[in-house]
This record gives sequence, structure tokens and C-alpha cells, in this order.
Amino acid sequence: QKEVEQNSGPLSVPEGAIASLNCTYSDRGSQSFFWYRQYSGKSPELIMSIYSNGDKEDGRFTAQLNKASQYVSLLIRDSQPSDSATYLCAVPSSNTGKLIFGQGTTLQVKP
Amino acid sequence: GAGVSQSPSNKVTEKGKDVELRCDPISGHTALYWYRQSLGQGLEFLIYFQGNSAPDKSGLPSDRFSAERTGGSVSTLTIQRTQQEDSAVYLCASSPDSSSGNTIYFGEGSWLTVV
Repeated sequence: QKEVEQNSGPLSVPEGAIASLNCTYSDRGSQSFFWYRQYSGKSPELIMSIYSNGDKEDGRFTAQLNKASQYVSLLIRDSQPSDSATYLCAVPSSNTGKLIFGQGTTLQVKP
Repeated sequence: GAGVSQSPSNKVTEKGKDVELRCDPISGHTALYWYRQSLGQGLEFLIYFQGNSAPDKSGLPSDRFSAERTGGSVSTLTIQRTQQEDSAVYLCASSPDSSSGNTIYFGEGSWLTVV
């Protein structure tokens, strides 16, 4: 089992729809979780972090965490074509501290 | 500096040559990370530093790869006897420290092409 797993996609949604991106992780000791967005040819940039079970909202973005199920998700409401990118889930190792990334999910928002 | 600075931004080298990639982290950040990303692939962890020491170098692909950090600031990733499979973008990132709650910030990457 990979340490951080994501469906590579592509996930295609129409403009204005809700995009749902999912991530599972194997390290039960992990305490913090991050979502990064990466546009083609660019470096990843942080869009959300979450530390507690439940939902965390920031504008059109909502991160959801369920530590019991070892599952973290990202919802993007009112998706825009500019949201088209690869979304990377990242989880620090509880043993070594290194930040482990999933393979990323490619999102395509169609006008 | 304002952000993580990497150089060179692009490097084309011949197979068998050595290359050095440099990373200058955000001022005051004690943790520094190196990742590799091949075309269309995810981020592959290489090594990270807390200060000048490397608590985790498990991701270095082979003994041709090495990294050092001096003065708790600039880091250099060296690839000896480059191979075509080393072609990738090498991303450096830094954070205030290696505590798990800290965000890491990426540089723009060094794009390496081995021909």
C-alpha cells in the first residue's frame, strides 16, 4: 500500500459544479494534512491545510478529514476553468517528518 | 529572500557529466527539502535537512546522488555521472522547521535534461 494514495484522474467537471478530490493515507500517526495545487509546468502551491477531524472551509474550498478512516478530501465549489490543475495531497510521516505526496489528481473544469 | 530560489532554472547536460543544483531557502527557514518530479509524475521525495543535518535521506535514488547544506542555509544537490533517467525537474522547498504542522514552500524548480 502506498503511503498516500490518490486517484490520478482526470476528473472532469462542468463549470459551476462541485469537484470532489479524495486521498487516503497509511500512517495512523499523521496529524496534519495538506492540499497543494500544481498548474502544468509550475511548482506546487499550498491551498489548504487541516489538522482536526471534520470540515475546514476557505472560500470555495473545503477540506474534510476523517482520521478513523484515514481519509482526507478536498471539495471545490463553483468550479472554474482556472481551477484546472493537478491537486496533490501531502501527509507528513509521523516517524521522520518528511512530507509525503500522493501522485495527484488532475482536474479538468470544462466551460 | 522573498521565496525559495533555485539555480539553474534549466540545465542540459551530456550523459556521464556531473551536475550541481542549488537551493537558497526562505530566510529563517531551518528545514529544507528536495523532491524530484519526472514528466507527468508525482513528487518523489529525495532528502530533507533540519539545519545542516539530514534526518532522512532515504529517497536518494542511488549513490550518484548526494546533497549537502552548509550554514543552515544554501543546499546543493549533486548528481554524478548523469543518466538519461535523471531527467526531471528538481524541486526544493523550505519550511520554518520540520514540525509536521508546518507548510512547505516550493521554489520554481531546476529542469534537468540529460542528453
